[in-house]
Amino acid sequence: AQSVAQPEDQVNVAEGNPLTVKCTYSVSGNPYLFWYVQYPNRGLQFLLKYITGDNLVKGSYGFEAEFNKSQTSFHLKKPSALVSDSALYFCAVRALTGANNLFFGTGTRLTVIP
Amino acid sequence: ETGVTQTPRHLVMGMTNKKSLKCEQHLGHNAMYWYKQSAKKPLELMFVYSLEERVENNSVPSRFSPECPNSSHLFLHLHTLQPEDSALYLCASSQDIGGLPGANVLTFGAGSRLTVL
Repeated sequence: AQSVAQPEDQVNVAEGNPLTVKCTYSVSGNPYLFWYVQYPNRGLQFLLKYITGDNLVKGSYGFEAEFNKSQTSFHLKKPSALVSDSALYFCAVRALTGANNLFFGTGTRLTVIP
Repeated sequence: ETGVTQTPRHLVMGMTNKKSLKCEQHLGHNAMYWYKQSAKKPLELMFVYSLEERVENNSVPSRFSPECPNSSHLFLHLHTLQPEDSALYLCASSQDIGGLPGANVLTFGAGSRLTVL
């Protein structure tokens, strides 16, 4: 069965500090992994994805994520947080084969403190 | 806004009403989706249409009825809903890769906030 876990409902970080939003997944076979961000009163916006290749993926707005197969993790990172990064972040996984479903986590609310 | 437009943005309805949510995408994508977003829960996939055919129905109650008349439009018809159906309903679209809906990037609309009284 496919699933995604985002263990932290809330992450607070000071502006200028590095940030990490955690994600672990469970899927049969090779995964497609995604991060999306949701700002207030908006739909989800794509940040980055991993399908194959380099384990370190760079995405929009200076975000990056590292695919770790042994730990089944895909944590989102940014070297220096901005107040404008405050939003709800969702990790998602889809198996290469099988159900036509992209499984999302419960979301992590990131608050960057000025 | 994002290439995916949802109307109405807000809807309040009684349990005996019949209403519809509309989604339109201007991106030339070949797959469209309905998701339900409730607080503190993962996004729930409701329906997937690929090339205008329904390819996924995730055990959604029959009081939700989807319709995809063409590749650019998706509707969600609502009737005799329950208060627990109150949520944000998100429409999304994507360009399928090799017949794998959800394997490519999804573009979401801003959502329709539904309140059932």
